Amino acid sequence: NAGVTQTPKFRVLKTGQSMTLLCAQDMNHEYMYWYRQDPGMGLRLIHYSVGEGTTAKGEVPDGYNVSRLKKQNFLLGLESAAPSQTSVYFCATKGPLQETQYFGPGTRLLVL
Amino acid sequence: AQKITQTQPGMFVQEKEAVTLDCTYDTSDPSYGLFWYKQPSSGEMIFLIYQGSYDQQNATEGRYSLNFQKARKSANLVISASQLGDSAMYFCAMSLPLYNQGGKLIFGQGTELSVKP
Repeated sequence: NAGVTQTPKFRVLKTGQSMTLLCAQDMNHEYMYWYRQDPGMGLRLIHYSVGEGTTAKGEVPDGYNVSRLKKQNFLLGLESAAPSQTSVYFCATKGPLQETQYFGPGTRLLVL
Repeated sequence: AQKITQTQPGMFVQEKEAVTLDCTYDTSDPSYGLFWYKQPSSGEMIFLIYQGSYDQQNATEGRYSLNFQKARKSANLVISASQLGDSAMYFCAMSLPLYNQGGKLIFGQGTELSVKP
């Protein structure tokens, strides 16, 4: 089992470009989350999903969109990247009867 | 408002000694979870240990134990017999109830632990 995977691992964008980050899990978890980690800080929630076809905003959702068309995949989109979105992005998953969130390896994004 | 506070930006410990990383939390919810994650220099977030707010006994996982003092709202991580591979950033986190943003995690700012040979 791969657990939680993220694609790509690293990306450089120019301001105004768009991209999609993919999170895939084979743990059959209902809950999926996107967090961002900025230097010297813990993680902050961007968006989350409690099941296939559902998404909701977290604490820092501006500039991002998400989709969960399949249970195992959670996509994070940046329509028009800004330098303030330079960060490390983590996907996490959790089962409905579990407390622990399991994280993917992260995607490092640099917006110039 | 819910908050996690880690007051030790960096700590040093001698190999084979024990070390305690401090964490205090603030919440008005009676039901919550407390976690510790390890982030090595490679960047991934590794789950270490979990403590539920209603758990009577302190959680233990191998060399890791969580010193849970509910009245003081503290959840310190104790690592026994430190190893060089324990050098990393350590994050304390608290889970909110599922009705609150899907049970998101709130993180502290982290403590960087360095293990000296």
